[in-house]
Amino acid sequence: RKEVEQDPGPFNVPEGATVAFNCTYSNSASQSFFWYRQDCRKEPKLLMSVYSSGNEDGRFTAQLNRASQYISLLIRDSKLSDSATYLCVVNGASGGSYIPTFGRGTSLIVHP
Amino acid sequence: NAGVTQTPKFQVLKTGQSMTLQCAQDMNHEYMSWYRQDPGMGLRLIHYSVGAGITDQGEVPNGYNVSRSTTEDFPLRLLSAAPSQTSVYFCASSPPRSGNEQFFGPGTRLTVL
Repeated sequence: RKEVEQDPGPFNVPEGATVAFNCTYSNSASQSFFWYRQDCRKEPKLLMSVYSSGNEDGRFTAQLNRASQYISLLIRDSKLSDSATYLCVVNGASGGSYIPTFGRGTSLIVHP
Repeated sequence: NAGVTQTPKFQVLKTGQSMTLQCAQDMNHEYMSWYRQDPGMGLRLIHYSVGAGITDQGEVPNGYNVSRSTTEDFPLRLLSAAPSQTSVYFCASSPPRSGNEQFFGPGTRLTVL
């Protein structure tokens, strides 16, 4: 079983729709969690960190469920510019450092 | 700040050739890492470093060497290129230990013929 799993999609949604992605992880000792966004042929960039209590940044909401070992990303009022691949990242402790493991990404296509 | 820079942007090699991918950061980050990204495989960690003089293997280290003589630079060496090493390579850096955001370079697109 891969350590971090995501549905690759693509999720094909109209503008204005609400869409949600989940990401499951296998290491129960994982310490920190992130969502990154990656545009085609570009480097990944941090979208948001995921906190235990859940957090929101504008149209984006991230949640963590430690008991079930998954994180989620909710995008409300989708824009064309939200089209990208969304990468889930889970950091596990290793020798005092945090080693990130990336999911394979979920592709989102927002159409007019 | 330039952030994380990588050179070259594109490279074509023949099987058996060696080369070094360069990575530099000017944010004084202690943690640096190299990933490769292949279609359908996501980002896979090749090697990482938690500070100058310290390196360790990631998930897919075979065929690659790294060194970290300074905080700023973290070059990745391909010893004898193989077609299986055709990929996009990303270098990243972050502040240490706290699981902070990683900053990525723009990537090197490598083709091995």
